[in-house]
This record gives sequence, C-alpha cells and structure tokens, in this order.
Amino acid sequence: RKEVEQDPGPFNVPEGATVAFNCTYSNSASQSFFWYRQDCRKEPKLLMSVYSSGNEDGRFTAQLNRASQYISLLIRDSKLSDSATYLCVVSSNAGGTSYGKLTFGQGTILTVHP
Amino acid sequence: EAGVAQSPRYKIIEKRQSVAFWCNPISGHATLYWYQQILGQGPKLLIQFQNNGVVDDSQLPKDRFSAERLKGVDSTLKIQPAKLEDSAVYLCASRHQGRETQYFGPGTRLLVL
Repeated sequence: RKEVEQDPGPFNVPEGATVAFNCTYSNSASQSFFWYRQDCRKEPKLLMSVYSSGNEDGRFTAQLNRASQYISLLIRDSKLSDSATYLCVVSSNAGGTSYGKLTFGQGTILTVHP
Repeated sequence: EAGVAQSPRYKIIEKRQSVAFWCNPISGHATLYWYQQILGQGPKLLIQFQNNGVVDDSQLPKDRFSAERLKGVDSTLKIQPAKLEDSAVYLCASRHQGRETQYFGPGTRLLVL
C-alpha cells in the first residue's frame, strides 16, 4: 500500500465548477499535512497547510480527518488558472529527529476549461 | 529573496554514463533535500541534509547515486552509472530550521537514452 494515495484523475471541469480531491495516508504517526500545487513542467509550490479544524483560503478549503487518515481539498468557483496537478503531502519525523520528511501522493490532475 | 537555484536545467546522457547536478539553497536554510520525480508520479525523497550531515538517505540507491554537501551550503547529486529508469526530474528543496515549508528549485530534467 502506498503511504499517500490520491485519485490521479484527471478531473476536467468547466469554469465556475466546484471540485473536490481526496487523499488517504497510511502512517498514523504523521504530523503535518499539506496540499502542494505543481504547474506543468514547474516545481511544486505550497498551496496550503491542512489542520484538523479545517482551514480555508479564499476559494480553497482543506480538511483533515486523523481518525480516518483522510485529507481533502475543495476548490470552489474554479478558474482557468487553477489548472494544475494537486499533490497531497504528509510530513513525518525523519530518523527520530524533529526534521520533517515529506511524502507526496502521485498527484491529481485538474483541467478547468472555458 | 533569491530562490533555490539548480543547474543544469536539462541533461541528456546515454546509459552507463555519469551525471552530476548542482543545487544552491536559499540563503540561511540549513536543511536541504533532493527528490526524484518520475513522470506521472509525485516527488520521492532521495536524501535529506541538515547542514553538512545526512539525516535520511534510506531511499537513495547507493550503488549508483551519491550526494554531498561538504560546506553545508551547496550540494551535488551524482549518478554513476546512469540507467534508463533514472530518467526523471531531480528537484532540490530547502527549508529554514524551525519552519515547516520547503521551497523547491526549478529542477533538472534528465533523459537517459
């Protein structure tokens, strides 16, 4: 079983649509959770951190369920510029230290069309 | 603030040849990471440095891959000899001690023929 699993998609949605991505992780000791965005042929960039209480940043809402080991990302009112790959990322201690080791899912491809 | 710098941006080699990649992290970032991203997959951690010491190299194929960060700043990743399955983007990232966010460089795109 992969440490972090995502639905690879692709998701193809019209502008203005709401789209949701799901992710599960296997390491119950994982400490921090993120969504990264990666544009075509570019490096990953942090989109937002994910907290148990849920958090929102404009049109983006992230949720974490530690009991189910499940993470989600909701994008409302999709824009053409939201087209990208969305990576679910889990952080855990590396070698017993306090330094975060990131484990990435395979990514979910989103295409928003006019 | 300057970002993470990597070179070269692209490299094409034949199998069994050697190749080296260079990374300069953001100034002041003590932690440096090398990732391998194969097409269609998420980045996979190869090695993590804290200053000039290795924190985690459990996923580094040590029979052919090596990395160093001698002075705790720049880092090089080497593959010797390369195999076809090494074709990927090699990403370098850095992080400020005590902060969670990793910043990625633009990557080196390697094609092994």
